[in-house]
Amino acid sequence: DQQVKQNSPSLSVQEGRISILNCDYTNSMFDYFLWYKKYPAEGPTFLISISSIKDKNEDGRFTVFLNKSAKHLSLHIVPSQPGDSAVYFCAASAGNQFYFGTGTSLTVIP
Amino acid sequence: DTGVSQDPRHKITKRGQNVTFRCDPISEHNRLYWYRQTLGQGPEFLTYFQNEAQLEKSRLLSDRFSAERPKGSFSTLEIQRTEQGDSAMYLCASSSGSSSYNEQFFGPGTRLTVL
Repeated sequence: DQQVKQNSPSLSVQEGRISILNCDYTNSMFDYFLWYKKYPAEGPTFLISISSIKDKNEDGRFTVFLNKSAKHLSLHIVPSQPGDSAVYFCAASAGNQFYFGTGTSLTVIP
Repeated sequence: DTGVSQDPRHKITKRGQNVTFRCDPISEHNRLYWYRQTLGQGPEFLTYFQNEAQLEKSRLLSDRFSAERPKGSFSTLEIQRTEQGDSAMYLCASSSGSSSYNEQFFGPGTRLTVL
């Protein structure tokens, strides 16, 4: 049972434009959400997180939005850069267990 | 380099053999997690330690899997009587603090291939 879903396996964006990566979840008990970036042959690297008491968190070019009523979160990257090309995972937790989506492969075209 | 390290990076074994992986977390990180990742999937939670205590275990973790963190520093994950379905990337992560609301730092993973 996949509690965290990323329905877009891949996304291509022109350099300088906005990248929007989406994530849906089913468990209303999740209270903490995270985005990770992963390059080949490396472990995931933390990008940004948001608590369920907030609806937006911003860090430089990265912004995460949380819509609790829709059980949906998104990651916006503005402006997108070629170095952002990677696989992006969203994750959610309730307590000490973390549940990851299947990832979205982002390609930023120069 | 003070990041999370894992050893070995790759392991090829025959079905039925036992394997053991090691994870060295960032020093002074009291929380340590093991995950398994298969092709096309995200990391799946396996187990969690706070210091030396194993506080959470996924029901995915069959009785062939055992993890330890004897002194609250490094951790080992052992798989007994390996099966082909155990082939995956095994990831370790660590974090600090008393709250789970802290960034997890991942190691590079150990890729297991069971022939």
